[in-house]
Amino acid sequence: DAKTTQPNSMESNEEEPVHLPCNHSTISGTDYIHWYRQLPSQGPEYVIHGLTSNVNNRMASLAIAEDRKSSTLILHRATLRDAAVYYCILSRGSGNTPLVFGKGTRLSVIA
Amino acid sequence: DTGVSQDPRHKITKRGQNVTFRCDPISEHNRLYWYRQTLGQGPEFLTYFQNEAQLEKSRLLSDRFSAERPKGSFSTLEIQRTEQGDSAMYLCASSLGYGGADTQYFGPGTRLTVL
Repeated sequence: DAKTTQPNSMESNEEEPVHLPCNHSTISGTDYIHWYRQLPSQGPEYVIHGLTSNVNNRMASLAIAEDRKSSTLILHRATLRDAAVYYCILSRGSGNTPLVFGKGTRLSVIA
Repeated sequence: DTGVSQDPRHKITKRGQNVTFRCDPISEHNRLYWYRQTLGQGPEFLTYFQNEAQLEKSRLLSDRFSAERPKGSFSTLEIQRTEQGDSAMYLCASSLGYGGADTQYFGPGTRLTVL
């Protein structure tokens, strides 16, 4: 399975943008890039996913490098409620493999 | 609330006892997954179902663990002869099963403590 690499932790000030990086140099052509986050004492929550093009939704934006070997999750204005562990995960195009979570990036938001 | 529910939310048991957890997925979801999460780690896959068929089991799923999904609806995860190492958060997720773009919706988890 293709692996992802994320920083262990990041810190942001409230109401500022946050860019969470993810490296996936061994990504295959059919792998989707998914982001989930896990707030304290809760199950993981879907954030966004993409294949080749940049994606936007109400929660965040996903910027995918042209060679697809890295991606960045962008939170446009961090709030205290965005403090969580963010996981970058690759999913096979066939969808026949379960999600493989790493340790993710722990985002702290400072008021 | 994602629509996936798990019961109980917390379970404390003594070593050697059997425990059973229940997961109710989103009703139209074909796939149901079980994960285990220990402190400071990301969730680890245990097993998943496509409707009532159990399609994959992780090597983490020892013979003391069994999972069922009768009639492709709710699922149960049973741990026999619990050990202290089984203490963890057990997470259930469900999805429609739409290939690589498939999105999983997680329940709140069942926290198991084995004394």
